[in-house]
Amino acid sequence: RKEVEQDPGPFNVPEGATVAFNCTYSNSASQSFFWYRQDCRKEPKLLMSVYSSGNEDGRFTAQLNRASQYISLLIRDSKLSDSATYLCAVNIGGGSYIPTFGRGTSLIVHP
Amino acid sequence: DTGVSQDPRHKITKRGQNVTFRCDPISEHNRLYWYRQTLGQGPEFLTYFQNEAQLEKSRLLSDRFSAERPKGSFSTLEIQRTEQGDSAMYLCASSSGQENTGELFFGEGSRLTVL
Repeated sequence: RKEVEQDPGPFNVPEGATVAFNCTYSNSASQSFFWYRQDCRKEPKLLMSVYSSGNEDGRFTAQLNRASQYISLLIRDSKLSDSATYLCAVNIGGGSYIPTFGRGTSLIVHP
Repeated sequence: DTGVSQDPRHKITKRGQNVTFRCDPISEHNRLYWYRQTLGQGPEFLTYFQNEAQLEKSRLLSDRFSAERPKGSFSTLEIQRTEQGDSAMYLCASSSGQENTGELFFGEGSRLTVL
């Protein structure tokens, strides 16, 4: 089993739709969780950190489910500009500062 | 521009040649990472420095790969005797020890094509 798993998609949704991605992780000791956005042929950029209590940033909501070992990203009112690959990253912490990335989930928002 | 910079952005080489990539991290960041990314995959960890010390290396990093960060500032990643399987985007990232662990700032990458 991979350390961090994501459905590669693509998720093909119309503008205005709500879409959600999940990311599962295998190490129950994982402590830090992140969502990155990567545009085609560009570098990953941090979208948001994922806190235990969940967090929201505008149209984006991230949640953590420790019991089931997954994090989620919800995008409301999708825009064409949201089309990208969304990578989750997990850090086991405990002195390790090395995030492990999933393969990413591709989102395509169409008119 | 005060972000992470990488050079060269593109490199085409013949199998068996050596290549070297350079990364200049954000100046106040003491942690520097090298990742490799191929099409359809997420970034795969290669190696990590804290200041000038190379603290971890992935088993993906064969003995043909070597990385240095001699003064705790810029870093180089050298690949000797390149193989076609080395073709990938090599991403450098940096972070500060003061931040939440895992928030990385990536450079634009160095794309390697081995013919």
